[in-house]
Amino acid sequence: AQRVTQPEKLLSVFKGAPVELKCNYSYSGSPELFWYVQYSRQRLQLLLRHISRESIKGFTADLNKGETSFHLKKPFAQEEDSAMYYCALSQRNSGNTPLVFGKGTRLSVIA
Amino acid sequence: EPEVTQTPSHQVTQMGQEVILRCVPISNHLYFYWYRQILGQKVEFLVSFYNNEISEKSEIFDDQFSVERPDGSNFTLKIRSTKLEDSAMYFCASSGLAAGTSTDTQYFGPGTRLTVL
Repeated sequence: AQRVTQPEKLLSVFKGAPVELKCNYSYSGSPELFWYVQYSRQRLQLLLRHISRESIKGFTADLNKGETSFHLKKPFAQEEDSAMYYCALSQRNSGNTPLVFGKGTRLSVIA
Repeated sequence: EPEVTQTPSHQVTQMGQEVILRCVPISNHLYFYWYRQILGQKVEFLVSFYNNEISEKSEIFDDQFSVERPDGSNFTLKIRSTKLEDSAMYFCASSGLAAGTSTDTQYFGPGTRLTVL
């Protein structure tokens, strides 16, 4: 069965400190991994996906197939990064398949 | 930038009543989805819709639920007889066609909060 685990419900860091939001997945096939973000009173929006291998707003995430992880990292947290972060996966090579989400981690960046 | 819209933003209903949640996907998208999030829990997939039919559905999407694309722009989710446990935030999403082996990005609406009393 497909599963996404985000072990931390809440993560508080000081401004300027490094951030790592953990995501582990369980999937028998070849997954595609995503990070979605939801800022206060806004909609869920895509932050990044592993296929793009890009950095968005200073965030990066590397897919580690050996550890089945897709942790989200940023070297220096900013106050505007405070939001709810969701890790999600879908099945690759199968067109448009549904997303399976983790429970989310609330990131709070303290000034 | 085009966005997915949803109406209403909040719906309160009595148990046993029918509700219809409405979504307007991004205009050139072809895949439509409904997800829900019960308070404090994860976002869960309900159903996907393509080419005027359901392409995939989850165990949650039982006979009480139905989806429809009544015209060229709206995509609706109907719950025939609401239960207390249907109280949740319902998100609509849409995406274009997958390119190669990559899934196209799903764009989410702001959600409709359904409260069943």
